[in-house]
Order: sequence, then structure tokens, then C-alpha cells
Amino acid sequence: QVHLQQWGTGLLKPSETLSLTCAVYGGSFSGYYWTWIRQPPGKGLEWIGEVNHRGITNYNPSLKSRVTISSDTSKNQFSLRLSSVTAADTAMYTCVRTNSGYDLSTDSHYYYMDAWGKGTTVIVSS
Amino acid sequence: SSELTQDPPVSVALGQTVRITCQGDRLRGYYATWYQQKPGQAPVLVIYGKNKRPSGIPDRFSGSNSGNTASLTITGAQAEDEADYYCYSRDSGGYRQIFGGGTKLTVL
Repeated sequence: QVHLQQWGTGLLKPSETLSLTCAVYGGSFSGYYWTWIRQPPGKGLEWIGEVNHRGITNYNPSLKSRVTISSDTSKNQFSLRLSSVTAADTAMYTCVRTNSGYDLSTDSHYYYMDAWGKGTTVIVSS
Repeated sequence: SSELTQDPPVSVALGQTVRITCQGDRLRGYYATWYQQKPGQAPVLVIYGKNKRPSGIPDRFSGSNSGNTASLTITGAQAEDEADYYCYSRDSGGYRQIFGGGTKLTVL
């Protein structure tokens, strides 16, 4: 059973850099997208970005200029850095494993988040 | 704005059937995934792939996809089904993941 454990700074001042790390236990690091999502208070879920075991990254275009996601396969860890934070970045940040599949009968792909960290509340305040 | 458009808040009488929809061109060629989120809790995966349910999800939850529309149906809604429901997929280029804006379900 895979387990994701995350840690990082929860209180930041505007313009600082958010830094979170997620360790993966009990499962392979290969074959998945390792993903960060966030949810501002009272709002919906937002995908931040992802990295795979090869270090290939994809980012939400709205955050791309400030986001870096990296992985350390030797430690089965991946990390998030979000620079120049503002109050709008206040949210619950969660690391997630994104799995995928393919249905041959309908030629359709699917993706699903099937393992979650506990989340880190990040507050940006002066 | 979200590229996956979900229904506004929906209500259903206890024991009745409710369908929540999610629309978007990104769904062509992809099955939508559905998550349930209760207040103060992490999202829970309820439907993925071609109507697959993870272990522990009741069979009253089902999913379907047609063209650019995905649907989550709860047949015989229970009080514990009251939650926000989010659809999710990957965009057609395969380079990013997308959530719908969420639909709040109230069970009366």
C-alpha cells in the first residue's frame, strides 16, 4: 500500500518561496505522475503540476512562471517550489500520485489520483 | 474559468437518483474521473475509467461518458453522499490535468 508523507513550511510572507517535499513509501516511483494540487479556503481543487520518474515536468499555465517541481528517484521523493507567493497562494497543498489506464474497447485513456498525502496548510501573510 | 464545466448546486431527496454532469472538449477520448469531498476532508476517488469504483465505494455510484459529457449518477442517494463532487481529466494534449469547478450535492 503506497503512502505519501509530505512536509514543508506552512507560514510565509509575501514574496517568499513556498517549499514542500513529498516522500513515497511502499510503492514504485516509476510509471506514475507525481502531482501537486492545492485548494484555497472555500474554493475548488487546482492542479499545480507534475513530475514523472524521468524528471519530465508539466505545469499549470497559470502558475508556470513561478513553479518548479522536481524529483529525487534515489529517495523516492518529489518537491514543489512556488516563488513570489502572495495571499492568493494561501491554500491546502497536497501531494498526490496520479495513475493512468487505457480502455482498448473504447480507445480511451483515463487518469486518476489514487494516493494522497495529508496536505499542508500554507498561509501567506505579512 | 474551468475548462471542465460542472452543474451548479444540486439537491436530491433521500433515496432518489441524482445525476451530476461535467462537460468539456477535453473529455473527448478520455474518461472523466470523479472525486467526492466532504467538508474538512481530503477528496475521495469514487469513479475512474470505464465506470470503475475503488474498493469501498458503494455500487450506488456509477459513471458514464458520452462525447464531451461525463456523468456521475448516484442511485438511491444517502445522507452520507452529501458532499462536493469534482470531475477531473487530462487535457487532450496530455500535458496537464484539469479539475471541474465542483458541484455541491445536498441530500434532503
